[in-house]
Amino acid sequence: GAGVSQSPSNKVTEKGKDVELRCDPISGHTALYWYRQSLGQGLEFLIYFQGNSAPDKSGLPSDRFSAERTGGSVSTLTIQRTQQEDSAVYLCASSTQGVTNEKLFFGSGTQLSVL
Amino acid sequence: RKEVEQDPGPFNVPEGATVAFNCTYSNSASQSFFWYRQDCRKEPKLLMSVYSSGNEDGRFTAQLNRASQYISLLIRDSKLSDSATYLCVVNPSGGSYIPTFGRGTSLIVHP
Repeated sequence: GAGVSQSPSNKVTEKGKDVELRCDPISGHTALYWYRQSLGQGLEFLIYFQGNSAPDKSGLPSDRFSAERTGGSVSTLTIQRTQQEDSAVYLCASSTQGVTNEKLFFGSGTQLSVL
Repeated sequence: RKEVEQDPGPFNVPEGATVAFNCTYSNSASQSFFWYRQDCRKEPKLLMSVYSSGNEDGRFTAQLNRASQYISLLIRDSKLSDSATYLCVVNPSGGSYIPTFGRGTSLIVHP
């Protein structure tokens, strides 16, 4: 596609439910990143994919968070047993190869609200 | 110490003013540096890369000081449309290129 696509754009869920967030990166981009941004805060790194593998999962805040990427393209971030503190904007970004001097292209994010 | 630190502001300036933001980073081995712009409720977008010799893009000038581990962004002749949050981004060296974002500096340009 022309840009990074994320869905849904908004998700309201009840505490304790599971949610899945989807990211479709720019075609041909091998590197994919998930960040989250709480209100008034900076971007917090969650996980990085290079192709289908995730060499860096260090940012996942707990074992309730997991992510996968299939076919070197679409990625899904899953949050199990959601908590109110999971409420944030979840941003996905991709870059061509994931090397140090590349810029990131962001999707418009998924606003997650846990009631 | 946070990896990337910025003054959150807000910087409130009149149209036409010149304004500068600084950003400090803790990892001396950091290799590449960027400024991103984020409008309210929007995703971040690249504003400009920061090169060792300094670089300019129209009204925007970026500088890197490796010795003191900071980067700067200078905006001349501020426009109302420059109102946004400016994010400093640092890429580490090594095999895993995870860009680290600062919390951002808020700029409000008023008439």
